[in-house]
Order: sequence, then structure tokens, then C-alpha cells
Amino acid sequence: AQTVTQSQPEMSVQEAETVTLSCTYDTSENNYYLFWYKQPPSRQMILVIRQEAYKQQNATENRFSVNFQKAAKSFSLKISDSQLGDTAMYFCAYLSSGGNTPLVFGKGTRLSVIA
Amino acid sequence: KAGVTQTPRYLIKTRGQQVTLSCSPISGHRSVSWYQQTPGQGLQFLFEYFSETQRNKGNFPGRFSGRQFSNSRSEMNVSTLELGDSALYLCASSLADLSTDTQYFGPGTRLTVL
Repeated sequence: AQTVTQSQPEMSVQEAETVTLSCTYDTSENNYYLFWYKQPPSRQMILVIRQEAYKQQNATENRFSVNFQKAAKSFSLKISDSQLGDTAMYFCAYLSSGGNTPLVFGKGTRLSVIA
Repeated sequence: KAGVTQTPRYLIKTRGQQVTLSCSPISGHRSVSWYQQTPGQGLQFLFEYFSETQRNKGNFPGRFSGRQFSNSRSEMNVSTLELGDSALYLCASSLADLSTDTQYFGPGTRLTVL
């Protein structure tokens, strides 16, 4: 079974600075999808970014980008120019591309952006 | 386009009671998944419905059940509530199936069992 590990339970960053959240996963599959979700204190889980494993190019969404290292099974999220609204729990998730299997989530990283 | 909606947002029940939670997916989405979120266990998959059929089920007791209607709206039911069922229940919808589509989440239903 696939597992997702987020080794940083909590992190903090100064406003306007850059922060990187780590995520590693374990799988024997070659094709899959990886996601970062953000869950602010309001509790609404929001998709931040998605990466297809077959794509070598790292996904980018405005201030959010990933460093996808397939061989190392690593999928880190970089947030540039951090804003107070980025304060949230961040979850890394894995989705198999074959068969009907659910999202597998990491335990999350609580990020606090400090003014 | 409206997002995933869940009702009610908050619920307080006592042990032994049963509860029904509702989820309306994004228009056009046919797959609905349910997750339980607790501080200790994190996010755990409950089940997934597609075209009114349960396609996948997580490792939860039979007290947890669900269904999906022809308009893709889904309900989950928990019978004989236990204190440990207190959690945030999240619903997510996607266009077609789990294997390729991004899941979009609702705001959740906060269930407290006393």
C-alpha cells in the first residue's frame, strides 16, 4: 500500500519569505498523481497544486511550485512571497492512476505565516 | 460554478444515536468520496460512490454506510454513534473516477458525539 510522509508537523515563516514543505511517498507504481491541499482554519480543503508522475516538468501555480523528484519519491512544495493568508494545514496526497483507489494523505504540516 | 456543499455544518449527537450527513457535488461531477478527519488519525477514506454504486470502501465498521442518488448527491449514515466518531467529515467530488480526476472538497460537517 502506498504511504505518504510529511516529516515537518509544524513550520513558520516570515511574511514575504520563502518556505519549503517536504513530502515523501512510497510506491511501486510508475504512474500516479501527487497533490498538495491547503486547509485554512475555516476548514475548507483547497487544491493547491497537482503533479502527474509522467511529467518531468515541475508544476507551478502562481506563488506555489513543487520540486518533484520521482526517483527519490519526493514531492516538496515551495511557497514564495508568503502571505498571511497562506497560514493553514498543508496536506500532501497520492493518487494511483490505475484502478479505483482513494487519495492517500500525509499527516499534514501546519504552516504559520508571521507578520 | 458552485462548489461542493455539505449539510449540516455542525452536529451534536449523543452516544447510541444515528446521524445522516449530506453532500452535494459540483455540478457535472459523478464521483463522491467521503473522508473522516481526526487529530489523531488524520484523513481516512470512508467510501466512494460513482453512478449510485459504491466502488471503494475504506476500513471502517459497518455502522458507517452511504448512498448516492441519481443526481449524484450523496449521504452518509453513522448508526449507534460512539464517542470516537467525533470528527470532521469531508466530502469530495470529481468528474468521473478516482484514478485520474482531481477531487474537490466541501467545507465538512463537524460531528460531536457526547
